Amino acid sequence: QITLKESGPTLVKPTQTLTLTCTFSGFSLSTSGVGVGWIRQPPGKALEWLALIYWDDDKRYSPSLKSRLTVTKDTSKNQVVLTMTNVDPVDTATYYCAHSFMVRGVIGWYFDLWGRGTLVTVSS
Amino acid sequence: DIQMTQSPSTLSASVGDRVTITCRASQSISSWLAWYQQKPGKAPKLLIYKASSLDSGVPSRFSGSGSGTQFTLTISSLQPDDFATYYCQQYNSYSTFGPGTKVDIK
Repeated sequence: QITLKESGPTLVKPTQTLTLTCTFSGFSLSTSGVGVGWIRQPPGKALEWLALIYWDDDKRYSPSLKSRLTVTKDTSKNQVVLTMTNVDPVDTATYYCAHSFMVRGVIGWYFDLWGRGTLVTVSS
Repeated sequence: DIQMTQSPSTLSASVGDRVTITCRASQSISSWLAWYQQKPGKAPKLLIYKASSLDSGVPSRFSGSGSGTQFTLTISSLQPDDFATYYCQQYNSYSTFGPGTKVDIK
C-alpha cells in the first residue's frame, strides 16, 4: 500500500525559505520510472503543479516558479524535500506530494496517489 | 505553456442525472489528459488517465473521451458521493491543471 505524508511549518514569514518534506512508503524512489511530485492549492483555488523528481534524480520545475524551487530526494529515508525561497503571502496554500511515474513518449506526468496535504500560511 | 480551460465552472445536478464536463487545451495534447475528483478538505483522487482509461477501483459510471484539444468527463448517473470538484490535467508537456468544475446539488 502506497502512502505519502507531507510535513513542515504551518506558518512562515514573508521572505523566508519554506522547507517541506514528503515521507512515503510502499514504493522506492530508486525503482526505474518512479517519481514524486509537489502540487499546491491556495484556499478556494485550483491545483498548481510545482516540481517533480524522478528515480534517476532528474528534476523538473514549473517554469513560473523555477528560480525559487529546489527538490531533492533521500532514497534511504524514503523522503523528498521541496524548498521554496523568498515566500510571499500569495504562496499560502495546501501543499501536496504525490506519486507519479514516467510515461513513455511524453515529458509530462500525472499523479495516481496523493498525500493528505499540509496547509502553509505565509504571514508576518 | 499549455493552458487548460474547463466548462462549466459550476454545475448543479440531481442524483441520477447524466453529467458532462468539458476540458479544452490551448494546443494539442494527444490523449495525455487525466481527470481528478476532489472533495472539500481532501486530496484529489485520480479518476481517469490517458483521456479514457479508468483508474483502478473507479466506478464504471465515470468515463472520459476526447483527444487533441477537447475532452469530456461523463458521469452516467450521478450518485450522492459524486458531488465534488473535478479537475482536468494535461501531461503532454510537464503538467497543467484546469481551473476545476464544481458539481453541486440542484
